[in-house]
Amino acid sequence: QKEVEQDPGPLSVPEGAIVSLNCTYSNSAFQYFMWYRQYSRKGPELLMYTYSSGNKEDGRFTAQVDKSSKYISLFIRDSQPSDSATYLCAMGGTSYGKLTFGQGTILTVHP
Amino acid sequence: KAGVTQTPRYLIKTRGQQVTLSCSPISGHRSVSWYQQTPGQGLQFLFEYFSETQRNKGNFPGRFSGRQFSNSRSEMNVSTLELGDSALYLCASSEGRDTQYFGPGTRLTVL
Repeated sequence: QKEVEQDPGPLSVPEGAIVSLNCTYSNSAFQYFMWYRQYSRKGPELLMYTYSSGNKEDGRFTAQVDKSSKYISLFIRDSQPSDSATYLCAMGGTSYGKLTFGQGTILTVHP
Repeated sequence: KAGVTQTPRYLIKTRGQQVTLSCSPISGHRSVSWYQQTPGQGLQFLFEYFSETQRNKGNFPGRFSGRQFSNSRSEMNVSTLELGDSALYLCASSEGRDTQYFGPGTRLTVL
């Protein structure tokens, strides 16, 4: 079983929809949680970062962490075609310099 | 600040050859982590360097090695290339604690 599980999708939504992306994890030692966005043929771009359980909002993006359930989510409000990308959850804190990633969810927002 | 840079962006090699990839971190960042990204396995941690010392290593064979220089620039080397080494190789820099910022990657094709 993988330490981090992420629904690979693909997910296709109309412009303006609310998108929910999710990851579960098994290692309770993870201390911090991130979401990255990766466009085709580009490196991952950091979107959200949080240490604690609860919600963190940044513009149209909200990251949610529930450590008791070992579950994290990313919500995108008013989705735009430019949000079409692969979204990766990542977790760290168990060893130096190592992030453990989910498989990524491919999102397409169509006009 | 300039972002993480990686050179070259694309490489084509044949089986049995060796390859060296280079990464320049964000100015002031002393930690560089390397990852391999493939469609089947996703992003997998290779190793991490901090102040010229390897602090952590993932589960890759000894053909994969790296080093870091006094200016924090890092190189990774893959010897005796195999077809399965074809991947996007990503480096990420960090101030040494948690948040990692990725470069655009080097796409390696082994023929």
